[in-house]
Amino acid sequence: DVKVTQSSRYLVKRTGEKVFLECVQDMDHENMFWYRQDPGLGLRLIYFSYDVKMKEKGDIPEGYSVSREKKERFSLILESASTNQTSMYLCASSLFEQGARGNTIYFGEGSWLTVV
Amino acid sequence: AQSVAQPEDQVNVAEGNPLTVKCTYSVSGNPYLFWYVQYPNRGLQFLLKYITGDNLVKGSYGFEAEFNKSQTSFHLKKPSALVSDSALYFCAVRPEVFSSGSARQLTFGSGTQLTVLP
Repeated sequence: DVKVTQSSRYLVKRTGEKVFLECVQDMDHENMFWYRQDPGLGLRLIYFSYDVKMKEKGDIPEGYSVSREKKERFSLILESASTNQTSMYLCASSLFEQGARGNTIYFGEGSWLTVV
Repeated sequence: AQSVAQPEDQVNVAEGNPLTVKCTYSVSGNPYLFWYVQYPNRGLQFLLKYITGDNLVKGSYGFEAEFNKSQTSFHLKKPSALVSDSALYFCAVRPEVFSSGSARQLTFGSGTQLTVLP
């Protein structure tokens, strides 16, 4: 069965703290993604990675960075957390595609981050 | 750039009645279309996808979706709703072929909250 694991489900952090959100997938997927979900805005892509040490900015990368040192692990980093980063963060993964395959993206359970 | 519109924030339907959750899209070239469901405090679960072939796609939990190229729509349907279908539903799109990494991502709609009333 497909498994994307986000290690922290609920976090409360203070403004200015450095925050790490960890994600691990066990499906040997090449692509990994970090999304942010806010009411009325749907899911917005923060960063994605298609290979180890490779990353590309998504729609809202400001205030975030990522790390992918191993294929199975993709970390989202908030260098200095702010209250407007209070949100639900979703990690996802999928197989790499060449040409037209439409591989499904699989999601983790989400991490609720509150910045106070 | 691709986009998805889910015109209804909220859909209410009585248990046993048919349900429809609407989705329209915009993408260059042929689309790949997806539906996901999210239960409270959970991640997104894949329901179904359209890649090519039959316009009517069948997915998990009795859901199906109809691809209509001329209307650029991909509405989610179920013949008989259950209370347990109450959840947040997301439609997503990406182009069939991409030339840049930025198009690998799915673009999601804002979501439709489905409530099935007993």
